[in-house]
Amino acid sequence: GAGVSQSPSNKVTEKGKDVELRCDPISGHTALYWYRQRLGQGLEFLIYFQGNSAPDKSGLPSDRFSAERTGESVSTLTIQRTQQEDSAVYLCASSLDISGANVLTFGAGSRLTVL
Amino acid sequence: GNSVTQMEGPVTLSEEAFLTINCTYTATGYPSLFWYVQYPGEGLQLLLKATKADDKGSNKGFEATYRKETTSFHLEKGSVQVSDSAVYFCALSGGSSNTGKLIFGQGTTLQVKP
Repeated sequence: GAGVSQSPSNKVTEKGKDVELRCDPISGHTALYWYRQRLGQGLEFLIYFQGNSAPDKSGLPSDRFSAERTGESVSTLTIQRTQQEDSAVYLCASSLDISGANVLTFGAGSRLTVL
Repeated sequence: GNSVTQMEGPVTLSEEAFLTINCTYTATGYPSLFWYVQYPGEGLQLLLKATKADDKGSNKGFEATYRKETTSFHLEKGSVQVSDSAVYFCALSGGSSNTGKLIFGQGTTLQVKP
């Protein structure tokens, strides 16, 4: 597609519920990233995928967080047993490759509110 | 590990004032450096980048020079406009680890008043 598409744009859930966030990267982009942005704070790296290589999961904050990507297409970020501190905007980005000079294109984000 | 530190905000300026937002980094090797901007209600987008020492990135009147000797990438603009009000993020990727993982600073909010 023309840009990175994320859904839902807004999600309100109750503490303890599971949520799934979806990201459709730009067609042809081999690299896909997930970041978390808490209110008034910077971007916190969560995970990235590059082609068929093992993903870099070093930023996932706990085992309640997981992400999958099928080939070079859609990715899903799953948060199990949500907690109030999970409330944030979850940003997805994609890029052509993972070279150091690559430019990331970001989606508009999924705003998660855990009550 | 790699890290980025930005000056804290918010920064409030009058229109046509000179802007500097400081950014310093810690990394091994030769990372690429970026400034991303997040306008109100919009997604994060690239503002400018520099991929090697002494390179100057520029866009929309903004400039930043990659200074390896001071490990800095300060953002400057000679005359800001109200439309420049946004959150600015300094970031780096690559270096010795040679990955595309982008590490961001905490962001600096700029508010320009007419």
